[in-house]
Amino acid sequence: DIVMTQSPDSLAVSLGERATINCKSSQSILYSSNSKQYLAWYQQRPGQPPRLLIYWASIRESGVPDRFSGSGSGTDFTLTISSLQAEDVAVYYCQQYYTTPWTFGQGTKVEIK
Amino acid sequence: QVQLQESGPGLVKPSETLSLTCTVSGGSISSYYWNWIRQSPGNGLEWIGYIYYTGSTDYNPSLKSRVTISVDTSKNQFSLKLSSVTAADTAAYYCAGQGVEMATLRYFDYWGQGALVTVSS
Repeated sequence: DIVMTQSPDSLAVSLGERATINCKSSQSILYSSNSKQYLAWYQQRPGQPPRLLIYWASIRESGVPDRFSGSGSGTDFTLTISSLQAEDVAVYYCQQYYTTPWTFGQGTKVEIK
Repeated sequence: QVQLQESGPGLVKPSETLSLTCTVSGGSISSYYWNWIRQSPGNGLEWIGYIYYTGSTDYNPSLKSRVTISVDTSKNQFSLKLSSVTAADTAAYYCAGQGVEMATLRYFDYWGQGALVTVSS
């Protein structure tokens, strides 16, 4: 199985400040035939299902505010919230869809400082 | 817009079989791969398995011996059965739709609201 490891487990950021979440995969999730990184980021607010934020490591889903951005390649990826808003309080998960079993990171809880 | 809704018993006795159904609306069941994912209280997300409308399946090896996923295209539904449950199977169970792009499966486009299942006598 591909193990997805996120860091940190939690972080507290002041409103308007930057939040950065890291995700590391235990092996490359780059599909060589199409040069795509098979990585997605999801946001899960309390009591809600996960919501797709970013796919192909850096493509923002329709309707997602542009303060959310994804980057990275190979085995190291980052989700950045450029200016934290109150509604961004949630747990964030990375997920690889390179090969089954699909696997998720353990989650990073983002709170307001 | 595709919408998913899980249904089934919220309480299952230990050693019995957990059964859930996901109803797909707003889209064709033949357009996506249909997944079950669970989340234990306070824990992260665990993929259980998927099915295509043709009946083709893939399961997480960690659960494969106890899982059956089936599809009923006439009802636009797919179902999960998990046998021999224990308290460790207590979780929120989500159904999710996964598209195909460049001949490979992609991210989870759509999620149901989730069904909380408790295993207890």
